[in-house]
Amino acid sequence: EVQLVESGGGLVQPGGSLRLSCAASGFTFSKYWMSWVRQAPGKGLEWVANIKQDGSEKYYVDSVKGRFTISKDNAKNSLYLQMNSLRAEDTAIYYCARKGYKFDYWGQGTLVTVSS
Amino acid sequence: QSVLTQPPSVSAAPGQKVTISCSGSSSNIGNNYVSWYQQLPGTAPKLLIYENNKRPSGIPDRFSGSKSGTSVTLGITGLQTGDEADYYCGTWDSSLSVVVFGGGTKLTVL
Repeated sequence: EVQLVESGGGLVQPGGSLRLSCAASGFTFSKYWMSWVRQAPGKGLEWVANIKQDGSEKYYVDSVKGRFTISKDNAKNSLYLQMNSLRAEDTAIYYCARKGYKFDYWGQGTLVTVSS
Repeated sequence: QSVLTQPPSVSAAPGQKVTISCSGSSSNIGNNYVSWYQQLPGTAPKLLIYENNKRPSGIPDRFSGSKSGTSVTLGITGLQTGDEADYYCGTWDSSLSVVVFGGGTKLTVL
């Protein structure tokens, strides 16, 4: 059974940093693109970033370029999102999703709140 | 303002049929596969349709997808109260090199 479990969310002050993790199981992690998708409170889905199987290609939404870094550790079956210089508008539930854009499995999400 | 355009809401009675449209452009829907996602209240999104019209295992055939040019449509027949959810279309935009979603459509089963 495919499982994606996010962790690392929480309350952080504007300008602060946070690192999200996604533990994957039930499939060969190294064979898949992976993605982060977020959803602000009461809003729609917004794709954040994706990463190729071996980490050689990464893509980001413009609003996070230069602040967020996506990475994956195939040996640990884990996906990460390093978030720096956080802003109030980054407040959202962050979902880990399998594949680059045809997201066939999603995690339950982790809430990130940016507030002073 | 989403790159893909969906109606904010649709509604229909139990047992009836409803369609949800999603329009884009040649750089996204026109030249890439589209997926549809269902998000029940308080839960994570779930893949409903992939590659425009394919259903993952476990998705009933009451759900269907179609594509014409730069638009796609999600159809749901035999509506049930359990279908009340937000529905999103999504695809890759080749010009922007980003994943794009529609703004979402809230389905109400009256």
